[in-house]
Amino acid sequence: EPEVTQTPSHQVTQMGQEVILRCVPISNHLYFYWYRQILGQKVEFLVSFYNNEISEKSEIFDDQFSVERPDGSNFTLKIRSTKLEDSAMYFCASSERVQVSGNTIYFGEGSWLTVV
Amino acid sequence: AQKITQTQPGMFVQEKEAVTLDCTYDTSDQSYGLFWYKQPSSGEMIFLIYQGSYDEQNATEGRYSLNFQKARKSANLVISASQLGDSAMYFCAMSHNRDDKIIFGKGTRLHILP
Repeated sequence: EPEVTQTPSHQVTQMGQEVILRCVPISNHLYFYWYRQILGQKVEFLVSFYNNEISEKSEIFDDQFSVERPDGSNFTLKIRSTKLEDSAMYFCASSERVQVSGNTIYFGEGSWLTVV
Repeated sequence: AQKITQTQPGMFVQEKEAVTLDCTYDTSDQSYGLFWYKQPSSGEMIFLIYQGSYDEQNATEGRYSLNFQKARKSANLVISASQLGDSAMYFCAMSHNRDDKIIFGKGTRLHILP
């Protein structure tokens, strides 16, 4: 069973510090996503990425956030200067094609970010 | 605008009973997909079932079935013969075929009682 892997599983960081969350999507997938879930709340779309550029982003994804696929394998989410309200579970996901249907989008196990 | 509504923040159900988790959605598109995900306390998102808007039959996957009523814009999840391991958060979600993101409802926390 193919899987999306995320590291770290949990990170605690000081407010104002930069954080990089890493994801290894499934190898033949072309579409990549980050989602966020604040504790006890719903899962929110952050950004989608295809062909080395952002294809869509939500209003949450402001200038503090960036994504990168630096080496053809990893897909990273960077938060430049973390705020307390960035504390959340961050899910990476990947898909083989843009028209998501069935079990064609795979989620990683998430990275818990705690900003103190 | 797309919207998913789950009106049940929490439910308690006796083990072995069937349970229905409600989900309604709002979209002006004709082509879309509906999903249910399970999120146990460990946090991962587990895909359960999918229904395409043009699928005529209700989707079923083992003990899970999706009661799709297109005119009412509802996509309720039915879990038959509930088990203690079904205790988790359940999210209804929707995608459109014209773009590549899924949007989620607020979730329903299901507790199965022994």
